[in-house]
Amino acid sequence: QSVLTQPPSVSAAPGQKVTISCSGSSSNIGNKYVSWYQQLPGTVPKLLIYENDKRPSGIPDRFSGSKSGTSATLGITGLQTGDEADYYCGTWDIGLHAGVFGGGTKLTVL
Amino acid sequence: QLRLQESGPGLVKPSETLSLTCTVSSGSISSTTYYWGWVRQPPGKGLEWIGVVFSSGTTFYNPSLSSRLTISVDTPRNRFSLEVTSVTAADTAVYYCARAESGIDGFDIWGQGTMVTVSS
Repeated sequence: QSVLTQPPSVSAAPGQKVTISCSGSSSNIGNKYVSWYQQLPGTVPKLLIYENDKRPSGIPDRFSGSKSGTSATLGITGLQTGDEADYYCGTWDIGLHAGVFGGGTKLTVL
Repeated sequence: QLRLQESGPGLVKPSETLSLTCTVSSGSISSTTYYWGWVRQPPGKGLEWIGVVFSSGTTFYNPSLSSRLTISVDTPRNRFSLEVTSVTAADTAVYYCARAESGIDGFDIWGQGTMVTVSS
């Protein structure tokens, strides 16, 4: 069982918007930066969002991140079939003195 | 562009030690801006944070694995390593090495990953 809780799956139609939640605690999300990763089928995870809401160079602004309290959210607008992937949140846990990932969310673009 | 490349045996026998190395190219492992880590992914499952090492040699480990883990850095050879002792089938996974920036804690550069199977 993951320290960070994500929904197992989400789905939406092409062109629509979807959000993926990541719930934690004051030991992790509440006091540390959150990152988001995209893992397309059969590929290496890629950093999508860092420091809660920043996008690395080359990541389209269709992807956004936010954090409130002990939860974080990844938003994807203008969904494309190429966005079908597994998405993971990650952060540091102060109590564990270790990094943690969420269990991952499978996005299906219907 | 900095690159990471994992290397090591693809098959390890139960109860033995899994050893992997991550070689850093086009960049220095000695940078104090970054630290270096290992992440694994069992077949069909999610990502699991294993541990990280700073260029100083300071390490942080996943508490559930810490009794079997050693992560070390070899600055002259610009590489870092992972050892997991007493492996079982549950340690079968794709193992990734990755880089993170201190204070940000997101892994921004990943190796291609290497599949390690634990089987007799």
